[in-house]
Amino acid sequence: QVQLQQSGAELVKPGTSVKLSCKASGYTFTSNHMNWIKQTTGQGLEWIGIINPGSGGTSYNVKFKGKATLTVDKSSSTAFMQLSSLTPEDSAVYYCARARVMNFWGPGTMVTVSS
Amino acid sequence: DIQMTQSPASLSASLEEIVTITCQASQDIGNYLSWYQQKPGKSPQLLIHSATSLADGVPSRFSGSRSGTQYSLKINRLQVEDTGIYYCLQHYSAPWTFGGGTKLELK
Repeated sequence: QVQLQQSGAELVKPGTSVKLSCKASGYTFTSNHMNWIKQTTGQGLEWIGIINPGSGGTSYNVKFKGKATLTVDKSSSTAFMQLSSLTPEDSAVYYCARARVMNFWGPGTMVTVSS
Repeated sequence: DIQMTQSPASLSASLEEIVTITCQASQDIGNYLSWYQQKPGKSPQLLIHSATSLADGVPSRFSGSRSGTQYSLKINRLQVEDTGIYYCLQHYSAPWTFGGGTKLELK
């Protein structure tokens, strides 16, 4: 069965970076795009971007360009999202979700940015 | 960006009642519209894709429809397990955008 396993919660300091992971199993990793989504209580759900694991091609929400960088490691069927220059406004739960229709979601990774 | 205006923001309904949630797109998005249900502390789950297609394993009491740029999610005969927050998503044009959510509670 399809599973997306995300890395654990992060507590990070402002100004630093963090790299989140999303390990896929139960399907051919390169056959489906992977989305990343941010969820906060105040802003609801925001689409960050999408990556094609086969080609490495990406598309970003302009709002997150320069903030998020999406990559994959095909050998381990893992998608990554690096968030840089973190501020308290980056505190959120981050999800990975498979395919354009987001038919499977990971459990989410909570990121807390605090000094 | 395409705006997805979702209504109502919250809804209280009785068991077995029929519930309808709508999303109005700010421009044409074709059938690139999906609906999700989110339970507290859990990730969203796909209910409907392509505006009207039921996702695998989703009960048939859920259905989606489209009228122009207005999209609706209908729940026939509301059940206890249907409580949660519902979101629509357009993935026609980047950046893909979600509706603001509808919190559904039992009366």
